[in-house]
Amino acid sequence: GENVEQHPSTLSVQEGDSAVIKCTYSDSASNYFPWYKQELGKGPQLIIDIRSNVGEKKDQRIAVTLNKTAKHFSLHITETQPEDSAVYFCAARYGQNFVFGPGTRLSVLP
Amino acid sequence: GAVVSQHPSWVICKSGTSVKIECRSLDFQATTMFWYRQFPKQSLMLMATSNEGSKATYEQGVEKDKFLINHASLTLSTLTVTSAHPEDSSFYICSARDPRHSYEQYFGPGTRLTVT
Repeated sequence: GENVEQHPSTLSVQEGDSAVIKCTYSDSASNYFPWYKQELGKGPQLIIDIRSNVGEKKDQRIAVTLNKTAKHFSLHITETQPEDSAVYFCAARYGQNFVFGPGTRLSVLP
Repeated sequence: GAVVSQHPSWVICKSGTSVKIECRSLDFQATTMFWYRQFPKQSLMLMATSNEGSKATYEQGVEKDKFLINHASLTLSTLTVTSAHPEDSSFYICSARDPRHSYEQYFGPGTRLTVT
């Protein structure tokens, strides 16, 4: 089955700096890779996603890149703000299900 | 956008009792809904997949007789935790797939279950 790894587990950045979170997946059949932001006590919120036929996607301060050959994808947040502090999960679509990475706790320091 | 609600947002029950959690898709019909469990500081673990009008598919290690899932309509799925034990205390999150956007899953806000 699919296995998703995510690094780092925790990340602290200064406000205004960039943050990068990386994920790898094991099954080359996976074709969809969403990123979710989860705030304390709340459900995950989709922030950006990418399909396997695309190498990069950007939405304002957030971007995702995908390297199918290496089977890894990354989340890039630029000009970080304190409200970006949360836990971020990557996922890979496997069949009709999602397999989630273990999460990254991002802290943006003012 | 697609909105998924859950009720209740939190519940406390005594050991041995049963508790039901509802998951509703508010502005779309969800042919498939998913139930996840999340322990503190951990990732989401899929418990089961439910398709409207058919039996749920449970992940390995999830007791189907303990976690009863009913997906009776295109907008409602329920998870009933039967004979609850303290170790069932967790954050339960549902998600739903909008057939108009077959790749995405939209998550509910979660239900915090505490069994005393």
